[in-house]
Amino acid sequence: DGGITQSPKYLFRKEGQNVTLSCEQNLNHDAMYWYRQDPGQGLRLIYYSQIVNDFQKGDIAEGYSVSREKKESFPLTVTSAQKNPTAFYLCASLNWRVSNQPQHFGDGTRLSIL
Amino acid sequence: RKEVEQDPGPFNVPEGATVAFNCTYSNSASQSFFWYRQDCRKEPKLLMSVYSSGNEDGRFTAQLNRASQYISLLIRDSKLSDSATYLCAFTGYSSASKIIFGSGTRLSIRP
Repeated sequence: DGGITQSPKYLFRKEGQNVTLSCEQNLNHDAMYWYRQDPGQGLRLIYYSQIVNDFQKGDIAEGYSVSREKKESFPLTVTSAQKNPTAFYLCASLNWRVSNQPQHFGDGTRLSIL
Repeated sequence: RKEVEQDPGPFNVPEGATVAFNCTYSNSASQSFFWYRQDCRKEPKLLMSVYSSGNEDGRFTAQLNRASQYISLLIRDSKLSDSATYLCAFTGYSSASKIIFGSGTRLSIRP
């Protein structure tokens, strides 16, 4: 079955440490996205990539970095500059080449500070 | 005006009731509209797309009002299992690849 795989499901970060969240999709979608969700809040866009080797900042990119070297992969690095990283991180993908297509989500990674 | 506005709720209704909520959007150029359901501590899952003529899927009816720039979701004969947060989403104006999400409406169905 096609889908989006996020790993790990739970991640703990120490002070001053960078951590990388993995997102892989086999849906052959061009666009991929990273969102952050805090308890009781909506989704906030961190970064998105419309096509391989290209990405744009979302609304809350500070303290995060991404790469898009392969179509199926869009890893997110939470750097030590992100002072409040505890949140639920969601990866999504979209086939924007076809109209009226919804985003598909992975099942998320929960990041906590140790 | 905000890009999207959604009543956060919570809506607390008895089982079997009909409940409806709206989501307003500011960009008239938006082309695609969706409703997602998100259960506690889970990822959002597509509930249904919203088509111009309105569409129905079982107990769920979605409608689009372009003139007033809102979409709506109606749930009939609500079940306990309908308790969740419902997120609206639509394409942004700058790119078909940018999706804007509402912050969600919490629905709680009581026995």
